[in-house]
Amino acid sequence: DTAVSQTPKYLVTQMGNDKSIKCEQNLGHDTMYWYKQDSKKFLKIMFSYNNKELIINETVPNRFSPKSPDKAHLNLHINSLELGDSAVYFCASSHLAADTQYFGPGTRLTVL
Amino acid sequence: AQKITQTQPGMFVQEKEAVTLDCTYDTSDPSYGLFWYKQPSSGEMIFLIYQGSYDQQNATEGRYSLNFQKARKSANLVISASQLGDSAMYFCAMREGSNAGKSTFGDGTTLTVKP
Repeated sequence: DTAVSQTPKYLVTQMGNDKSIKCEQNLGHDTMYWYKQDSKKFLKIMFSYNNKELIINETVPNRFSPKSPDKAHLNLHINSLELGDSAVYFCASSHLAADTQYFGPGTRLTVL
Repeated sequence: AQKITQTQPGMFVQEKEAVTLDCTYDTSDPSYGLFWYKQPSSGEMIFLIYQGSYDQQNATEGRYSLNFQKARKSANLVISASQLGDSAMYFCAMREGSNAGKSTFGDGTTLTVKP
């Protein structure tokens, strides 16, 4: 069983479109995260949710909107996609906010 | 502001030898955690090892050990008996107790194991 899963694994889309990435964890963790890894491999946190409540919201354009329907899911919706949004997006989860984070396989988003 | 520095963009090691990947950090928070992750070419992020700021012993996990020098604010990863499958990018990360949930990652070190 996959601990942290993301769909889709690859996403290719045109500029201006709206897209969503889904994340699910079956580890029973309370906290989930979204990270962005750019072309230089730099990894930066975007959002964190604890028990469906937003606890971290880094300086991210408001075109990005996370949604947590329950504590096992954290989806990322992106409006009006731009070329600069091309990156690998990782979902992660941890038992508590201070614990080790376990990452999903990543979603490679390419905006044309 | 917290900061993680990995000064080695790339490292090479001969198979079966040990290698040390450097990581220094900057924080004024007395409570923090340090993590190492491995990212192979396939792209996934794999957790390797964790060290808490109050831990008295250096963390070890199999062939991985963390050389924690608190006064120097360094948390180097030591991989013993390198294997070809260890070739990957390695990230050091830190989380402060006062800012739980927010991890800051270093820029990573690419390790290449030579046969």
